[in-house]
Amino acid sequence: GAVVSQHPSWVICKSGTSVKIECRSLDFQATTMFWYRQFPKQSLMLMATSNEGSKATYEQGVEKDKFLINHASLTLSTLTVTSAHPEDSSFYICSAKTVGNSYEQYFGPGTRLTVT
Amino acid sequence: GQQLNQSPQSMFIQEGEDVSMNCTSSSIFNTWLWYKQDPGEGPVLLIALYKAGELTSNGRLTAQFGITRKDSFLNISASIPSDVGIYFCAGHLNGQNFVFGPGTRLSVLP
Repeated sequence: GAVVSQHPSWVICKSGTSVKIECRSLDFQATTMFWYRQFPKQSLMLMATSNEGSKATYEQGVEKDKFLINHASLTLSTLTVTSAHPEDSSFYICSAKTVGNSYEQYFGPGTRLTVT
Repeated sequence: GQQLNQSPQSMFIQEGEDVSMNCTSSSIFNTWLWYKQDPGEGPVLLIALYKAGELTSNGRLTAQFGITRKDSFLNISASIPSDVGIYFCAGHLNGQNFVFGPGTRLSVLP
C-alpha cells in the first residue's frame, strides 16, 4: 500500500517551453501532496505544499508563477514548470501524506528534468 | 528555521558489519521518519517514530526516538550490498512541514 507514481520519469525540453509533471497516489487518498527539488548529492528541498481543492503554499524563494501546482483531486497533483531554463534542470520528487492522523509521507520515484 | 544534522555524512563498511547513524536537531519534534534513497529514485520510508523513547524495528533496521525529542538513531545489522544508498531522517512538529536532514551516504564493500 501507499504507492505514489510520477510521470514522466524523465523529460528533456528546450529553453522556453513548459513541462508538466504528474504525481498520483495509486492506492490511497491524499489531501496533501508535497513537491520537492533535489540537486545532485544534496538533500530534499521543499518547494510547495499542495492541498486538494485549494491553492498551493509555496516555500520562500520559490516562484509560484514559474512552478504552477494544481491539486484537482485526492489522487492527483501536477507541477508545471513554465518557461523552463537550464537552471531549472533538476530531480523533482513529489510525496503524498495519507488522510488522517498519520504524518507519514510516501514519495514518488522522481522526475529528472533536463532543459537544453 | 529548524535544521537537522546527520552523522556521519558518509561511511564505508564491510558487508556483514553493523551500521549506526544519527540525526540531531536544535529543536524538538513529535515525529521522526527514516528514509532510504537509491540513485535516481525517490526516498522510501523505512521506519516512523511517534513517541519519545520509542524503539521500532523493521527487519534488520532499528530506529529510536530520542528521549529529548531532539534526536533519533538508525541502526542496520549485518549489512548487505543492497543497503547501499543515502539515508535521510525527517522530523515533524505539529502544524509544520517536515524537515529533512542532509543524509548519510552508505557504501558497503563486499
